[in-house]
Parts: sequence; C-alpha cells; structure tokens
Amino acid sequence: KAGVTQTPRYLIKTRGQQVTLSCSPISGHRSVSWYQQTPGQGLQFLFEYFSETQRNKGNFPGRFSGRQFSNSRSEMNVSTLELGDSALYLCASSLGQGAGEQYFGPGTRLTVT
Amino acid sequence: AQSVTQLGSHVSVSEGALVLLRCNYSSSVPPYLFWYVQYPNQGLQLLLKYTSAATLVKGINGFEAEFKKSETSFHLTKPSAHMSDAAEYFCAVTSNTGNQFYFGTGTSLTVIP
Repeated sequence: KAGVTQTPRYLIKTRGQQVTLSCSPISGHRSVSWYQQTPGQGLQFLFEYFSETQRNKGNFPGRFSGRQFSNSRSEMNVSTLELGDSALYLCASSLGQGAGEQYFGPGTRLTVT
Repeated sequence: AQSVTQLGSHVSVSEGALVLLRCNYSSSVPPYLFWYVQYPNQGLQLLLKYTSAATLVKGINGFEAEFKKSETSFHLTKPSAHMSDAAEYFCAVTSNTGNQFYFGTGTSLTVIP
C-alpha cells in the first residue's frame, strides 16, 4: 500500500505570495490532518478534514486554509506569506474513526524569503 | 481536554545504555497513546501505540512503552541504545473518536559513541 505523499517536497516563495501544498493520503483513509513544524514551536496542528469537511481547526490565522476533495486528497493554502511561515508542513492521514494511528508524509519544506 | 507533556527536550545516552524518554498525558476520557520518531528532514514514523489492550506495548526497533494509568505516564524505553536511534521522538494522545491528535513538544535523543 502506498504511503502518504506530499508535493512539492521543497518550495521557496517570497513574502506576500501565496502557496498551495498538496497531500495524497493512504488509500482508504478519509481523514487528513495538517501540521506546521518549526524548531521553536514544535509540531502545531493546523486543521483536520474528514470526508471533505473540516472537523477540527488549530489556532492559526485565516491566511491558512485547506480543503479536501472527494478522493480524500487535500490541499493547504497559505496566502500573503510571511517570513515566519517558513517551516516544514506535514500531512498525516488516518481512517478518521476510532483510535487509528496517523501516518505521516515526508513533508513540504517551505522557505519564505 | 487532552494533552501530553514530554519531560526533557534533549536526552543524551551512551551507545549500549538504557534509553528512557518520558511522556505524561492528561485526558478526561480513556486515552490512546502513541510514540513517533522523526529522522532529519523526514516525516514522523509510528514506533508503537497503546489502545487499551496490553499495558506493555512493544514497537519497532526494540522500543517498548508501558501505560501506567495511576501515574498518567507512557514512557518509552529501549534496553540498549544504538547510534541509529538518534532522532526526535514525539508522544501523542487521542481519544477513541480519533478526531484530533495532540503531540508533545518532542525529545531529541543523542547517542554518544
């Protein structure tokens, strides 16, 4: 079974631009969660989607948004990029029901200059 | 509400010595607990999980963890550290609804030759 894939793996953007990251979950998984990881803040939860609906949301500004498609693939968008958005963005998929573990993708390394 | 606390952001052990990484949880419902490992520039990989079956859980790479309800702990251990164990370790908790995972701030393990 293929794992969680994230594209692109690396991205360099300029302040003020916007960016879209993509995540393809494991086949059969209906939940996709997004995390931001930085050296200073650790792993911070952005949001979780299940069957195309946002079920949970972390404490991030509205510049961070996401969506999930009918095939469970998910995208995350960050508008008006700031230097502080530079981070590793991780996507994790799970069945979304019960206490199944999350499986993580390799992440997208975003650098904002 | 659920949360986990990892005591010690950095732990150093000698090669061949016991590894002990501490995790305490807080949960108002029966918790499901996980340990993940992250190698540099990679996503998180599941080491082991506790889902209310046996309290002593064995995982990959020789790691194990014991769920102690009275101490609200889920510490990760390995009898003999190997150089390849050097990585970041995260403890996480969720409930049986599996809606949201809560991660600790991580413990960086250094193995000294």
